[in-house]
This record gives sequence, structure tokens and C-alpha cells, in this order.
Amino acid sequence: DIVMTQTPLSLSVTPGQPASISCKSSQSLLHSDGKTYLYWYLQKPGQSPQLLIYEVSSRFSGVPDRFSGSGSGTDFTLKISRVEAEDVGVYYCMQGIHLSITFGQGTRLEIK
Amino acid sequence: QVQLVESGGGLVKPGGSLRLSCAASGFTFSDYYMSWIRQAPGKGLEWVSYISSSGSTIYYADSVKGRFTISRDNAKNSLYLQMNSLRAEDTAVYYCARGVGDVWGQGTTVTVSS
Repeated sequence: DIVMTQTPLSLSVTPGQPASISCKSSQSLLHSDGKTYLYWYLQKPGQSPQLLIYEVSSRFSGVPDRFSGSGSGTDFTLKISRVEAEDVGVYYCMQGIHLSITFGQGTRLEIK
Repeated sequence: QVQLVESGGGLVKPGGSLRLSCAASGFTFSDYYMSWIRQAPGKGLEWVSYISSSGSTIYYADSVKGRFTISRDNAKNSLYLQMNSLRAEDTAVYYCARGVGDVWGQGTTVTVSS
């Protein structure tokens, strides 16, 4: 199985400041079709996960533009340009190139 | 609106069985592959199983292979997960999700305990 490793596992951010989460995969997520199957989700407290970013850098419908994804191959990053109180929760990366889908351990974001 | 609603969770003894259902509405269910994903108490997300839109392709996590069976009824817009030989480590909230997870249900809780 592809192992997804997120860092840091937790971060505390002052509102208005940026935040960044890294996700590294044990194998390349670049498919022969040219797409890279890396996704980012946010699970807010007490809620189901919600899709933020698909295929590395495409924002899902309704996701604020302060969220951005980047990376290639095995190294990926989720950035929040200016953290807001509503961004608290656990962020997960997920690979979908291999049908044995795997998630990162999760990164807990709290507000200072 | 687009919605997934899980049901069928509950308390079951080790070795027992349970069948989860996921009712889809607001979209053409037969156009999408579907997944079951679970989350043990206080833990992260674990993908459990995947089924293609037609049901012809199915995958399972190693942790459930041979014990769980995923299925779907496109006529009823429903996804299922038959869980047999349940173990304490299967205790979790089980979510159904559409495709890559652009839509998730609210989850149903499965507790395996004597």
C-alpha cells in the first residue's frame, strides 16, 4: 500500500496568519493518464469530512480561495493563506492512484 | 439536494454480523463509484471498500477482506456493506462517500463489544 505521511501532525495558528501542511507519498501519484490523484479533506469538529482540493491543486466547489494545493510526484502541500476561525479541524491528504486508497494520519489545526 | 444517508449501525457482539446501507439522492447514483470509509474513535480515516458504478469492480482493504462485502442496487440508489465476523477493531463510524469523496454521508456508528 502507498503510505501517506503528513507533517506537522498539529499546528496552532493565529487568525489571519498563513498555515501549511505537507503530505508525502511513498510512491508517485502521477498516473499514466497525466493526472495526479492527490486529494485534501477537512473534517471539522463533529462533522463528516469535506473535500477541499482534488488532483493536487483544483479547489472543490465552494471552497474559499485562501485554500491552495501544490506539489507533484510524491511531495504535496496544502496552504491556507489567511487562517480563519472556521478552518479549525483535522486535515487529511488521500491518494487515489492505487485502488487501495490510503489517507495521511491527519493534521489538527487549532486557532491561537 | 445531493445527499447520502447511512443506516444500519449498532452494537454487535464479536463474531456477529451487521449490514450497513447508504441511501443516495439528488444525483444519478449509477454514474458514480462509491466507497465505504471508517473512522475508529479518536482516530483517522481508513478506506474500507470501493465499488465501481456498475458493480463490476470491487476492492477491499486488507483489514476487512474476506469478512466484508460491498454491493449496490442502482435501481434503489443504494449502497450496502455486509459485515461478518466482526471484531472489536471494527468499531468505528462508517461513512459512505461518492467518487473521490466529494459527497459524504453523516456516518453510522458500529460498536463491536461483548
